[in-house]
Amino acid sequence: AQSVTQLGSHVSVSEGALVLLRCNYSSSVPPYLFWYVQYPNQGLQLLLKYTSAATLVKGINGFEAEFKKSETSFHLTKPSAHMSDAAEYFCACTGGFKTIFGAGTRLFVKA
Amino acid sequence: DAMVIQNPRYQVTQFGKPVTLSCSQTLNHNVMYWYQQKSSQAPKLLFHYYDKDFNNEADTPDNFQSRRPNTSFCFLDIRSPGLGDAAMYLCATSSPGTGLHMNTEAFFGQGTRLTVV
Repeated sequence: AQSVTQLGSHVSVSEGALVLLRCNYSSSVPPYLFWYVQYPNQGLQLLLKYTSAATLVKGINGFEAEFKKSETSFHLTKPSAHMSDAAEYFCACTGGFKTIFGAGTRLFVKA
Repeated sequence: DAMVIQNPRYQVTQFGKPVTLSCSQTLNHNVMYWYQQKSSQAPKLLFHYYDKDFNNEADTPDNFQSRRPNTSFCFLDIRSPGLGDAAMYLCATSSPGTGLHMNTEAFFGQGTRLTVV
């Protein structure tokens, strides 16, 4: 069965610093992996998705993620954090027709 | 723009009084989902429709029901809301491929925040 695990329920960075949000997956078949962002009282918005076409995936708002099969990881990064990046981030995979979410990581950005 | 729309954005209901949340989509997607999201938690899938086929998650309480009268609309009915049902309810859609090509993301509405008083 497919699943994802996010390491760290909270991450705090300074504005301009590197953002690294960790996600590991467990899958018996080629995984389809996603990162979503959720702002307060909003729905979820897709940041990027891994479709096996390329291991480094670029998304919106300057985010990217690298699929590493040897490490079963799909970590999300952004070179320079902005205050507007403060939100909840969910790593997800698909299992059948369902989207399966990790527990989420709340990103805090300090001025 | 094609989108998923949930109404209302905020809903207050009384303990035990039936309530219905609405979702519509202009994406013409086959699959519609209802998720429950409690504070600081991941969305939890309640059920989904693939076209007219209803699929209930094993741990979804009987108190939660759903209807999909056509491709565009899907409703979440809570027959007797309890205080523990207060949450954000998210509707989503997708148009999955076939076989192994399950790489299609879900498109989410803005959610309905339900308060039970």
